[in-house]
Amino acid sequence: DTEVTQTPKHLVMGMTNKKSLKCEQHMGHRAMYWYKQKAKKPPELMFVYSYEKLSINESVPSRFSPECPNSSLLNLHLHALQPEDSALYLCASSPFSDRGSGNTIYFGEGSWLTVV
Amino acid sequence: EDQVTQSPEALRLQEGESSSLNCSYTVSGLRGLFWYRQDPGKGPEFLFTLYSAGEEKEKERLKATLTKKESFLHITAPKPEDSATYLCAVQAAGTYKYIFGTGTRLKVLA
Repeated sequence: DTEVTQTPKHLVMGMTNKKSLKCEQHMGHRAMYWYKQKAKKPPELMFVYSYEKLSINESVPSRFSPECPNSSLLNLHLHALQPEDSALYLCASSPFSDRGSGNTIYFGEGSWLTVV
Repeated sequence: EDQVTQSPEALRLQEGESSSLNCSYTVSGLRGLFWYRQDPGKGPEFLFTLYSAGEEKEKERLKATLTKKESFLHITAPKPEDSATYLCAVQAAGTYKYIFGTGTRLKVLA
């Protein structure tokens, strides 16, 4: 079982709605990530938080707003989304390290988002 | 440019028929190479991390190997429950961003 927990597992929202995806990890990791994955494609990085500070934003539209309340929690606030934003949204975490050996990322089960 | 290519795109095996999946990479300074298994509608499940050429790791029916240009995921005597998409990713020096391959969709028939 994954140690990265995401809620909700499924979300359907209208284009004018505001909703949030939530993620929690208890592995003591200091880096947390949001990825987006479309069908039959690899995950695409959206945001990276390191030590609760936003360190990478991969030019994601402002209708996606990340938040890291503490080292264990990560939220993704959604507003005025488009149907093409429908996808599997993956939260992940890793021990933070910007040098040396590779930094293994552990993914959650994902939140399926459908925008209608 | 850093790049990862996986082959084949799809693979069908009979139960017990061993085979290998390939992950070729070009990266400026390898920090790590990662293998994941992904079931439909689920998040990627971590399998292995390899750090340097010559390294090998095993888990049940899976064995991952690494050279300076590619990695193989060997599947010995696969079972239907091994059916999944297998993703390879690399991490370059000076970054913690992953570069993913497009995956190999494996189907094991009973």
